[in-house]
Amino acid sequence: DAGVIQSPRHEVTEMGQEVTLRCKPISGHNSLFWYRQTMMRGLELLIYFNNNVPIDDSGMPEDRFSAKMPNASFSTLKIQPSEPRDSAVYFCANRAGETENSPLHFGNGTRLTVT
Amino acid sequence: AQTVTQSQPEMSVQEAETVTLSCTYDTSESDYYLFWYKQPPSRQMILVIRQEAYKQQNATENRFSVNFQKAAKSFSLKISDSQLGDAAMYFCAYRFRGGGADGLTFGKGTHLIIQP
Repeated sequence: DAGVIQSPRHEVTEMGQEVTLRCKPISGHNSLFWYRQTMMRGLELLIYFNNNVPIDDSGMPEDRFSAKMPNASFSTLKIQPSEPRDSAVYFCANRAGETENSPLHFGNGTRLTVT
Repeated sequence: AQTVTQSQPEMSVQEAETVTLSCTYDTSESDYYLFWYKQPPSRQMILVIRQEAYKQQNATENRFSVNFQKAAKSFSLKISDSQLGDAAMYFCAYRFRGGGADGLTFGKGTHLIIQP
């Protein structure tokens, strides 16, 4: 298994543009998490899915952010319109197993820069 | 809400020496999991070690071990025989065992520098 795959690895966009981040989770594991990492706030949970259903999106900062998981092998995080304060590294993560103490496996993240 | 605090923004240690990274957390729950993750410059988040709160025995993984003090809500990471490859950001994380929020709550991280 190739692990959690995120694309693109880097994204540079201008303020006001729409940004879509993509994630392909580990096959066979039914939970998926989106995190945002910044120097000031560290790692913040934005949203997580279980069986493709959003369970907790309380971490999504505002309506400009939306996430979907149309099937078990794909998820997107969209920001529309983007703002400079959205600049961060965005991680997608998958639970590595089905037991309660299974750790999260992270993708390599997408570094987003909004100018 | 649970919080995780790492009070050491940066630590430095000589190669082959031992270093301990601190972590404290705040929770009203009695059953939970604790983790240490390593993030090298490549940005990848790598699990180092995990601990179940109901286990009294401290977890160990080769050169990595924890000192879990449940009453004090403390979960420190000890790295023995430090190697240059251990240089990274280290994050302590908490997860409640049970329903509801299922994601990890992370500390702000400790930047570990290994001096050759």
